[in-house]
Amino acid sequence: GQNIDQPTEMTATEGAIVQINCTYQTSGFNGLFWYQQHAGEAPTFLSYNVLDGLEEKGRFSSFLSRSKGYSYLLLKELQMKDSASYLCAVRDGDYKLSFGAGTTVTVRA
Amino acid sequence: DTEVTQTPKHLVMGMTNKKSLKCEQHMGHRAMYWYKQKAKKPPELMFVYSYEKLSINESVPSRFSPECPNSSLLNLHLHALQPEDSALYLCASSPETGTGWAPLHFGNGTRLTVT
Repeated sequence: GQNIDQPTEMTATEGAIVQINCTYQTSGFNGLFWYQQHAGEAPTFLSYNVLDGLEEKGRFSSFLSRSKGYSYLLLKELQMKDSASYLCAVRDGDYKLSFGAGTTVTVRA
Repeated sequence: DTEVTQTPKHLVMGMTNKKSLKCEQHMGHRAMYWYKQKAKKPPELMFVYSYEKLSINESVPSRFSPECPNSSLLNLHLHALQPEDSALYLCASSPETGTGWAPLHFGNGTRLTVT
């Protein structure tokens, strides 16, 4: 089975940095994904990690430590449009993608 | 704009109705997925089709019946649903199920209300 944990909510100020942590225990591991989902909309792909280390993509970076079952998503230079839910998802050995409950990020002016 | 198109965007149906949700993608993806998402909850996997064959059924009740007529289309037939089936139904696609790096591309979903 899958157990994917992330904080429920985070609040930060426009222009600041926020780090969303995700820990997982899964029966297999074939990659970890981060998705962004605005209310009432589809999840959109942000980043993918399969090897340990940091992947940087503009204002967003994602880190993975497979030995610790840990990842984080770093959002820099926060903008109001970054207010959304951020979903950590793990693809297990069966290629199923299982999602964490999501972290709602609120960006304040 | 999403490259995975779902219709209808909203659907209200009674418990005795039969309806279908439709999903279409033209990215050449060979894996297609149905997810169910309740408010403030993560998407939950329902079905996976790989090369037009059902490869995963997550113990979904038989009142949900998936169909993959061809590599671009995915349907979800609904019959005798319950009010607790009200949710956002998301379709997704990926190049193939065995490609670990490939992200899922989601459609905007169908908001289903069962009365």
